[in-house]
Amino acid sequence: AQTVTQSQPEMSVQEAETVTLSCTYDTSESDYYLFWYKQPPSRQMILVIRQEAYKQQNATENRFSVNFQKAAKSFSLKISDSQLGDAAMYFCAYRSAGYSGAGSYQLTFGKGTKLSVIP
Amino acid sequence: DAGVTQSPTHLIKTRGQQVTLRCSPISGHKSVSWYQQVLGQGPQFIFQYYEKEERGRGNFPDRFSARQFPNYSSELNVNALLLGDSALYLCASSFWATEAFFGQGTRLTVV
Repeated sequence: AQTVTQSQPEMSVQEAETVTLSCTYDTSESDYYLFWYKQPPSRQMILVIRQEAYKQQNATENRFSVNFQKAAKSFSLKISDSQLGDAAMYFCAYRSAGYSGAGSYQLTFGKGTKLSVIP
Repeated sequence: DAGVTQSPTHLIKTRGQQVTLRCSPISGHKSVSWYQQVLGQGPQFIFQYYEKEERGRGNFPDRFSARQFPNYSSELNVNALLLGDSALYLCASSFWATEAFFGQGTRLTVV
């Protein structure tokens, strides 16, 4: 079974600064997807960024980018020019790429990192 | 376009009762998944349905069941509620093997 570990329960960043959230995962699969989701107090999970394991290039979405290290099984999220609206819980998630008939499209989440943005 | 909608938003039940949670996926999405999020934890996978068939089940007791209707909406049922079932229940829809889009969840409190 796959596991996802987020070792930073809480982080804080000054507005306009850069912060990096860490995530490691364990899997024996070679093809999979990794995601970062944001969950503000409104509770709705919002997809921030996605990375396909077969792609060597790190994904980027505006101020959000990842550092994907497949051999190290590490997937960190960098938020540049932090804004007050970035304050939320951030979850790292894993999903298998292939279908094996037993919930392979399920997402496995870490425990989350609470990000605070200081004005 | 409407996103994933869940009802009700909040619910209080007594131990031993049964509860039904509802989810309407994004139009065109045929896959619905259910997750349980206990306070302070990440979501845990409960079920996935695609084209009205169960395609995946997480490590949850048989008290949990679900179904998907011809219009792709879904219901999650939990019988014989326990205090430990108190959680945020999230529904996610996707076209198939694409990004999952989540609803705002149903907050279930068991007293």
